[in-house]
Amino acid sequence: ETGVTQTPRHLVMGMTNKKSLKCEQHLGHNAMYWYKQSAKKPLELMFVYNFKEQTENNSVPSRFSPECPNSSHLFLHLHTLQPEDSALYLCASSRGLADEQYFGPGTRLTVT
Amino acid sequence: RKEVEQDPGPFNVPEGATVAFNCTYSNSASQSFFWYRQDCRKEPKLLMSVYSSGNEDGRFTAQLNRASQYISLLIRDSKLSDSATYLCVVKGRAGGTSYGKLTFGQGTILTVHP
Repeated sequence: ETGVTQTPRHLVMGMTNKKSLKCEQHLGHNAMYWYKQSAKKPLELMFVYNFKEQTENNSVPSRFSPECPNSSHLFLHLHTLQPEDSALYLCASSRGLADEQYFGPGTRLTVT
Repeated sequence: RKEVEQDPGPFNVPEGATVAFNCTYSNSASQSFFWYRQDCRKEPKLLMSVYSSGNEDGRFTAQLNRASQYISLLIRDSKLSDSATYLCVVKGRAGGTSYGKLTFGQGTILTVHP
């Protein structure tokens, strides 16, 4: 049973919509991550937060905007996305940056 | 060159077979190495860490060769439940710019059939 939850599990949105993905971890971890997994491509790190501070932005376009209000919650705000942004978006958390990362079940996003 | 490279497969093997997966990584400063397993439409889960001395967990054996920047996973006596995608993962060194960052290979698909 995962200690990392993500909502929604599936999302279909148009290119002009604004939506948000939510991640919550119940593990008492301090670091949280967003990853993107596209078909036929490796899992790709997008953002890293450690103690609510962003420590990594992996050259992600500004149409993806992360927010980390506290160590337990992480959001990914989406606006004016492109069809190529359709992918599985995975959240993960770890006690510290050096520790094992636990993944949530992901949000499968389709941009039409 | 990809940072982490794996043979995508697919590997189709009968139950009871032994199967080996290989992986190479390009960043010699990488510190930690892992194999993750990802079932269809599910999240990745840590299978095992990989150490220079080699390590074994039941039917699974992982090896690391730092000089060759090469990682392997051996599965003995394959079960139907081993069918999944196996991801080779590399983590950056503490104090480096990629500290904490996991870099994933594209995965090797394994199907074990009766």
